[in-house]
Order: sequence, then structure tokens, then C-alpha cells
Amino acid sequence: QKEVEQNSGPLSVPEGAIASLNCTYSDRGSQSFFWYRQYSGKSPELIMFIYSNGDKEDGRFTAQLNKASQYVSLLIRDSQPSDSATYLCAVNMYNQGGKLIFGQGTELSVKP
Amino acid sequence: GAGVSQSPRYKVAKRGQDVALRCDPISGHVSLFWYQQALGQGPEFLTYFQNEAQLDKSGLPSDRFFAERPEGSVSTLKIQRTQQEDSAVYLCASSAVQKYTYEQYFGPGTRLTVT
Repeated sequence: QKEVEQNSGPLSVPEGAIASLNCTYSDRGSQSFFWYRQYSGKSPELIMFIYSNGDKEDGRFTAQLNKASQYVSLLIRDSQPSDSATYLCAVNMYNQGGKLIFGQGTELSVKP
Repeated sequence: GAGVSQSPRYKVAKRGQDVALRCDPISGHVSLFWYQQALGQGPEFLTYFQNEAQLDKSGLPSDRFFAERPEGSVSTLKIQRTQQEDSAVYLCASSAVQKYTYEQYFGPGTRLTVT
């Protein structure tokens, strides 16, 4: 079992819809959780992080964390074609410094 | 302010050559990370520095890989006797240590192609 799992996609949503990206992790010692966006040929860009159970909102983005279910998600409201990218979920383990374990990423395509 | 910079952006090496990849972190960031990203995969951790101390090198794939950060700022990842399987994008990230999180900001990466 991979430590961090994401559906590779592609996930296709129409413009203006809500895109829902999901991530599960295996280690209950995981402490903080990150979502990165990566455009083709570019490096990952930090969108959000969360470390407490519940929801965290930033503009059109909402991160949701459920530690009991070992599940973290990213919702993108009012999706735009410019949101089309690969979204990477990353997990930081307690007592492992800043080392991030990444999922393989979910490709999102927003159709005009 | 300036972000993380990496050089060169692209490197082509013949199998068996040594290469050196440079990372210049965000000013004031004490933590520096190296990751390797293969096509279609998420980044994989290689090694981590806090200031000049290399605290974790568990992800380095072989003893051909070596990283240093002698003055706690710029870091160099060196790969000796490159092999075709070393072809990947090498990403550097830096972080200001936070209480609960290590928000890491990535540089543009160095794409290494070994022929």
C-alpha cells in the first residue's frame, strides 16, 4: 500500500463546477497536509496546507481533513480552465522533520 | 521577494559523467529539501538540511548521490557516474521552520537527461 494515494484521473469538470480532489494516507502519525498545483512542465506550487481536523477555506479553495478516516480533500469552487493542472497531495510525518511524502497526483481538466 | 532558484535548468550528461546541481533557497529559510520527480509521478524525497546540517539522507538512491550545504545557504546535489535511471527532474524546496508545518516552496527544477 502506498503511503499517500490519489486517483490519477483525469478528472474532468465543466467550467463553473466544483472540482473535488481526494487523498488518503496510511500513517496515523501524519501531522500536516499540503496541496500543491503543478502545471505541465512547471514545478509544484503550494496552494494550501491544513493540520487540524475540519475545513480550511482560502478563496475558491477549501481543504478538508479527517484524521480518523485518514482522508484529506481539496475542493475548488467555480472551476476555471486555468485550474487545469495536476494536483499533488503531500503529507508530513510527525518526528520526520519536514520530509514530505507525495501522492502521484490527480490530473484535473476544466472544460470551457 | 526572490523565490528558490536552481541551476542549470536543463542538463544533458553522458552516462558515466558527474553532474552538480545548484539550489539557492529563499533568503532566511533554514530548511532545504531535494526531491526527484520522474515523469507522471509525484516528487520523491531525497535529502533534507537544516542550516548546514544534513538531518535526513534516507531518500538518496545510491552512494553515487551526495548533497551538501556548507554555509547553510546554497546547496549542491552531486551525482557521480550518472546512469540512465538518474534521468528526472530534480527539485529543490526551502522552508522557514514553523511550529506545526513545513511549508515548502519549490524552485523551477533541473531537468537531467542522461544519454
